[in-house]
Amino acid sequence: GAGVSQSPSNKVTEKGKDVELRCDPISGHTALYWYRQSLGQGLEFLIYFQGNSAPDKSGLPSDRFSAERTGGSVSTLTIQRTQQEDSAVYLCASSLARSGTGAEAFFGQGTRLTVV
Amino acid sequence: AQSVTQLGSHVSVSEGALVLLRCNYSSSVPPYLFWYVQYPNQGLQLLLKYTSAATLVKGINGFEAEFKKSETSFHLTKPSAHMSDAAEYFCAVSDQANNDMRFGAGTRLTVKP
Repeated sequence: GAGVSQSPSNKVTEKGKDVELRCDPISGHTALYWYRQSLGQGLEFLIYFQGNSAPDKSGLPSDRFSAERTGGSVSTLTIQRTQQEDSAVYLCASSLARSGTGAEAFFGQGTRLTVV
Repeated sequence: AQSVTQLGSHVSVSEGALVLLRCNYSSSVPPYLFWYVQYPNQGLQLLLKYTSAATLVKGINGFEAEFKKSETSFHLTKPSAHMSDAAEYFCAVSDQANNDMRFGAGTRLTVKP
C-alpha cells in the first residue's frame, strides 16, 4: 500500500482480555515505531524496530506489553490482560532510515483501543 | 535521552493573526527536529523538519520554524492563521545518540473567526 496501515481501526475489549494490534509499514521502510496517544496527552514512545537489530523496548510500560516484527515488515503489538488505563490510540509509524538520520516518520491512522 | 517541551497545551488565535507555537528541546548531540500536525480524526503528517541544512525551515501550508541552538528552540510560526489551521501540533526530536523519535505533549490550536 501507499501508506502505513493499521488494523483494526477500533477495538473494544473486556478488561482482562488480550489484544493484538497490527501494523503494515510502508514497503522498504526499515524503521518502525509504536506510540500510544492517550486523551489529552502527547505521543508516548513504546518500542522501536530497526532492520534486524534488537528492538528498543525501553518505552513499554509493563510486561503486559510486547511487540514483534516478522521478516522486517509487519509488526504486532500485543497487550495481555488489558486494563482500563490501556485505553488509548495506538499509533504505528515507519521510516525509510534509522532514527537519528533526520528521516521522516510516516504515521498510520491508529487503532483506538477501549477497555471496558 | 532527548526530550521536547511544548509550552502551552492550548493556543487560541483570531483568523488572520500570527500563529506562534513554542517548542524547546534537549539533546546531548546535534538534533533533528520535526513539527507534525494532526487534524481532527486524522493521522499525523509532517509539516516541516530541521536537519542542519538551514536554520529557517519552510513547510507546508505557509508554516515555518527557526532552529536556534543558543535557545534550544524550534518554534513554529505562520504569519496569518486560517480556520483550516485548527489542529493539534506536535514537536519531535531525534538524534544519533538515541533509537527513537520523542514527541512533545502537543499544542491544540484553535482559530476564531
